[in-house]
Amino acid sequence: AQSVAQPEDQVNVAEGNPLTVKCTYSVSGNPYLFWYVQYPNRGLQFLLKYITGDNLVKGSYGFEAEFNKSQTSFHLKKPSALVSDSALYFCAVRDRDTGGFKTIFGAGTRLFVKA
Amino acid sequence: NAGVTQTPKFRVLKTGQSMTLLCAQDMNHEYMYWYRQDPGMGLRLIHYSVGEGTTAKGEVPDGYNVSRLKKQNFLLGLESAAPSQTSVYFCASSPSPVAYNEQFFGPGTRLTVL
Repeated sequence: AQSVAQPEDQVNVAEGNPLTVKCTYSVSGNPYLFWYVQYPNRGLQFLLKYITGDNLVKGSYGFEAEFNKSQTSFHLKKPSALVSDSALYFCAVRDRDTGGFKTIFGAGTRLFVKA
Repeated sequence: NAGVTQTPKFRVLKTGQSMTLLCAQDMNHEYMYWYRQDPGMGLRLIHYSVGEGTTAKGEVPDGYNVSRLKKQNFLLGLESAAPSQTSVYFCASSPSPVAYNEQFFGPGTRLTVL
């Protein structure tokens, strides 16, 4: 069965500091991995995805994520946080071998960046 | 392009009432989805469609029905609303091939059932 874990309900970081939002996954086959961001009263917006190839994926707004197969992780990172990065972040996974288009979302991590 | 739009944005129902949520996309996507978002639970798939005229059940389909009569529209119906259906509902679409493509989400409908 597919699953996604985001172990932190909330991450607090000061503006200008690096941020990390953690995600681990479980699939029976090989994964496609996604990060989405949700701003207040808005729908989810796509940030980045891992399909294949380079383990470091770069996405929108200066975010990047590193795929680690041995640790089954796909942590979201940004070198220097902005107050405007404060939002709810969702990690999602699809099993490329057996899951088709079925996407499993994590419970979300709220990022709070303090000025 | 408007992307994915949803109507209405807010709705309050009484237990037992029915309603239909409308989702429209102008990106010519084959796949469309309805999710519900509840605090601490992420998004859960209610129903989905892989093309015009087709629908299928997702993770939490009970109490909901859907229809996809036109490629650009995906309707979600609540036959007899219950307080447990109080939630935020999101529609999404994705292009083919779907497995590695991201989903495009609408702004959501906040539904309260009293």
